[in-house]
Amino acid sequence: AQSVSQHNHHVILSEAASLELGCNYSYGGTVNLFWYVQYPGQHLQLLLKYFSGDPLVKGIKGFEAEFIKSKFSFNLRKPSVQWSDTAEYFCAVNYKAAGNKLTFGGGTRVLVKP
Amino acid sequence: DTAVSQTPKYLVTQMGNDKSIKCEQNLGHDTMYWYKQDSKKFLKIMFSYNNKELIINETVPNRFSPKSPDKAHLNLHINSLELGDSAVYFCASSQDWVNTGELFFGEGSRLTVL
Repeated sequence: AQSVSQHNHHVILSEAASLELGCNYSYGGTVNLFWYVQYPGQHLQLLLKYFSGDPLVKGIKGFEAEFIKSKFSFNLRKPSVQWSDTAEYFCAVNYKAAGNKLTFGGGTRVLVKP
Repeated sequence: DTAVSQTPKYLVTQMGNDKSIKCEQNLGHDTMYWYKQDSKKFLKIMFSYNNKELIINETVPNRFSPKSPDKAHLNLHINSLELGDSAVYFCASSQDWVNTGELFFGEGSRLTVL
């Protein structure tokens, strides 16, 4: 079955620290990859996406993610976090053979201390 | 002007009742979805409609019945509510069924069953 794993459930860090969130997915053919963010009390918003091409993709708010096909990974990074990055982060995979159905990871709750 | 809007945002009800959640998108998208986010923040797809036609029906009890009167609306009706139905229900839309996989989410409807 298709599955997406996010290794860290909770991350606590201080402002200006670097952030890396892991995401691995099970093999299922061609995929599109996404990171969504859910700020407290808000809806999910797209941070960045990968369809093809350069495996290092840049998103909004200084986030980037790297697709490593051989490792079935799509890790999210930000060099220097801010308090406003406190949120829940979800990795999601669209297995193209399954149509336009996103499979989500379990989410990582990030708390940035001022 | 909200792209994907859901009503109500909060719903508290007794076990055994029937309730509905409504969703509307003004993005001109063809495809709409219902996702359930449980208490552990895990997001799972429930249904998807493409141009008013049901295309995804995951393993969801028959008590849940989606209805799409037109491609801009996808409502969710739940009969005989149970405690385990307590969750946040997210509506989402995408341009079409085949392509990008990028979903636009509503703000969620938090259902509490007492």
